[in-house]
Amino acid sequence: AQTVTQSQPEMSVQEAETVTLSCTYDTSESDYYLFWYKQPPSRQMILVIRQEAYKQQNATENRFSVNFQKAAKSFSLKISDSQLGDAAMYFCAYVRGSARQLTFGSGTQLTVLP
Amino acid sequence: DAGITQSPRYKITETGRQVTLMCHQTWSHSYMFWYRQDLGHGLRLIYYSAAADITDKGEVPDGYVVSRSKTENFPLTLESATRSQTSVYFCASSPGGGQGVYEQYFGPGTRLTVT
Repeated sequence: AQTVTQSQPEMSVQEAETVTLSCTYDTSESDYYLFWYKQPPSRQMILVIRQEAYKQQNATENRFSVNFQKAAKSFSLKISDSQLGDAAMYFCAYVRGSARQLTFGSGTQLTVLP
Repeated sequence: DAGITQSPRYKITETGRQVTLMCHQTWSHSYMFWYRQDLGHGLRLIYYSAAADITDKGEVPDGYVVSRSKTENFPLTLESATRSQTSVYFCASSPGGGQGVYEQYFGPGTRLTVT
């Protein structure tokens, strides 16, 4: 069974600084996809970024980028120029290419300090 | 564009009662999912559906029933609610079709309290 581990239950960052959230996963599959979701206090789950395992290039979405290390099964999220609105719970998620069910990590609560 | 909606947003019920949580999506996505979110567990999959009339169990299906007679609706029923089913429930949908479209889009969630 696939597992997703987020080893940092809580993180904090100063406004305008950079923070990196860690995620590791365990799989024997070669075809899979990885995601980061954000859950602000409103409780809405928002897709932040996705990464296809077959792509070597790290995904980037504005201030959000990932460091995808396939051999190490690591998928960290970097948030640059942190803003107060980035404060949220962040979930890492995995899905194998032949299925549709997401497996989530337990989340990292990010606090942005003014 | 309504997207994906859930109702009710909040529900309090008593142990042993039946309760149904509704989920409706306007994108005609093939796949729909139900998750529960509990502190320390992230989101866990209860049931999912690949198309109308096709459903399958997820990680934590016990005590729940689903149906999907129409593509756009995916109700979740707790047949006899227990306190352990107190949680936040999320519905999600995902397009079917070709490779590369695996992300899921979530509804706003339903907070259910069983007393």
